[in-house]
Amino acid sequence: AQSVSQHNHHVILSEAASLELGCNYSYGGTVNLFWYVQYPGQHLQLLLKYFSGDPLVKGIKGFEAEFIKSKFSFNLRKPSVQWSDTAEYFCAVRDGAAGNKLTFGGGTRVLVKP
Amino acid sequence: GAVVSQHPSRVICKSGTSVKIECRSLDFQATTMFWYRQFPKKSLMLMATSNEGSKATYEQGVEKDKFLINHASLTLSTLTVTSAHPEDSSFYICSALGRSSGANVLTFGAGSRLTVL
Repeated sequence: AQSVSQHNHHVILSEAASLELGCNYSYGGTVNLFWYVQYPGQHLQLLLKYFSGDPLVKGIKGFEAEFIKSKFSFNLRKPSVQWSDTAEYFCAVRDGAAGNKLTFGGGTRVLVKP
Repeated sequence: GAVVSQHPSRVICKSGTSVKIECRSLDFQATTMFWYRQFPKKSLMLMATSNEGSKATYEQGVEKDKFLINHASLTLSTLTVTSAHPEDSSFYICSALGRSSGANVLTFGAGSRLTVL
């Protein structure tokens, strides 16, 4: 079965610092990859997704992610974070063998200090 | 845009009672709805997948007699936690898969926090 690993459980950084969150998945077939964000007290929102094509994907709010097939990775990046980026970030994978089911990583809680 | 509404957002009940949570797609038809459970400081765990008009498919380890899922229409799915116990206290989230404005969408509800006393 597909599994998704997010290596950092908690990240604390200052405003204007760069952010990179790691995500690795286990299944090697055709996959769709997602990053979701959950702001405090709010529901999950889609940041970006990769289905095919350019492996560097740009999403909302200045986020981007790079799909590296050989490393089974889909890391999320933002060059300069803001206090409002404080949230929990979830990587998710949908693989062809599992139909439309999403498998989520454990989440990374990001705290941006003003 | 595609919107999914969950109701209630918070519910407190006594042990032994049953609680129903509704998930509605407001402006699109959801062919498939997913129910997740989110434990404190942990990720979302898929409980079941439901397709309109058919029985839900439960993930391993999820009791189908305890977590009753009904997907009676293309815009409504319900999760009923039967004979709830304190260990069922959790955050339950639904998501709906369908087509909106010509594109496939997967949208999450805001979640329902269940507290069983």
